[in-house]
Amino acid sequence: ETGVTQSPTHLIKTRGQQVTLRCSSQSGHNTVSWYQQALGQGPQFIFQYYREEENGRGNFPPRFSGLQFPNYSSELNVNALELDDSALYLCASSLSAGDNSPLHFGNGTRLTVT
Amino acid sequence: DQQVKQNSPSLSVQEGRISILNCDYTNSMFDYFLWYKKYPAEGPTFLISISSIKDKNEDGRFTVFLNKSAKHLSLHIVPSQPGDSAVYFCAASAKSGTYKYIFGTGTRLKVLA
Repeated sequence: ETGVTQSPTHLIKTRGQQVTLRCSSQSGHNTVSWYQQALGQGPQFIFQYYREEENGRGNFPPRFSGLQFPNYSSELNVNALELDDSALYLCASSLSAGDNSPLHFGNGTRLTVT
Repeated sequence: DQQVKQNSPSLSVQEGRISILNCDYTNSMFDYFLWYKKYPAEGPTFLISISSIKDKNEDGRFTVFLNKSAKHLSLHIVPSQPGDSAVYFCAASAKSGTYKYIFGTGTRLKVLA
């Protein structure tokens, strides 16, 4: 069973740039959620994708957008990067969006915005 | 508005003793709760969960207790082992929502050998 994989592991960008983070879900999982974890904080929900559609969104501005592909992999795009976007971005997959399936997390992408 | 709170940022326990990690929540709609463990440079790993219809769930050395009237849950680890040293997050979700999980800020557990 293949777990959740994220790429890249680390990334450094400049303020104002755009970034795309990628995630492959665990085998058999059709739902992907993205979380932002700032230093010293818990993961904050960005959005969830189920069957290629956004299925819930946290308190993040529209410059945070995403995609889910037919194979359930997903991308997180962030436009017009700000210094406060520096964080660990975690992708998590789950069996289904419709029940209390535990999230299975990848190891994250560490984004640094300078 | 922090709906899930872990008020103890850190906890140190002797090996073999009990570790008790606490979590409080404010949203009475939450009906499912989970605990995750996170090692440095790794993503959080699911440990144990509990539904609001129960007040206790046990899995090996890990037991989660839920007190709905107090909006409080706790994770007990017995006996504690050095490998348990990690950051522990509690998370909650509401069926009426989109099953997004709201996480606490974490408690760093250090088990001393």
